[in-house]
Amino acid sequence: DAMVIQNPRYQVTQFGKPVTLSCSQTLNHNVMYWYQQKSSQAPKLLFHYYDKDFNNEADTPDNFQSRRPNTSFCFLDIRSPGLGDAAMYLCATSRGRVQSSYEQYFGPGTRLTVT
Amino acid sequence: LAKTTQPISMDSYEGQEVNITCSHNNIATNDYITWYQQFPSQGPRFIIQGYKTKVTNEVASLFIPADRKSSTLSLPRVSLSDTAVYYCLVGDTMGYNFNKFYFGSGTKLNVKP
Repeated sequence: DAMVIQNPRYQVTQFGKPVTLSCSQTLNHNVMYWYQQKSSQAPKLLFHYYDKDFNNEADTPDNFQSRRPNTSFCFLDIRSPGLGDAAMYLCATSRGRVQSSYEQYFGPGTRLTVT
Repeated sequence: LAKTTQPISMDSYEGQEVNITCSHNNIATNDYITWYQQFPSQGPRFIIQGYKTKVTNEVASLFIPADRKSSTLSLPRVSLSDTAVYYCLVGDTMGYNFNKFYFGSGTKLNVKP
């Protein structure tokens, strides 16, 4: 059964046209993460939510925003996509510090193409 | 923040044992070491996690020496389906950011017939 679901799996957008990627989880985990992974590179953490608390990485461009309306869902908004934003976007979840687990559960990713 | 260093790539043959070593010289006292596997066009998948000595599960073993400045992921009898990128991560336990950590460059393992 899918635990971290990302929609769509493939997204094509035009240069400068806002796009939203979605992630949902059935694990009831406290923490949700967004990573960007470009071709042949390691995943790069963009930001994460611990419950409703948002944590942005210092080098995440302002062009990237996120929303978490409830425990199950998290969205990645790219306000004005540039060609350099073409990548795989990965959503992940984890339990949170109380349960002392470093295991993150990843979704299959959304591959974003910018034309 | 502990940084990890791994070989960029490794080759192996089916049926062999593969050992991938990761260096993490500035690991903090409370940091755990975690390994992930990633296939092309998929999200990373948790393999194993440890703090010290040896940890074994149905997939792999993780060896961590006493000084914890390195760790070795051991994959017994690899098959073609083990061809993937393997990432070593060290947890950032600085207060609130307990679950946040960063992927290093990873090791691309190529298993040949």
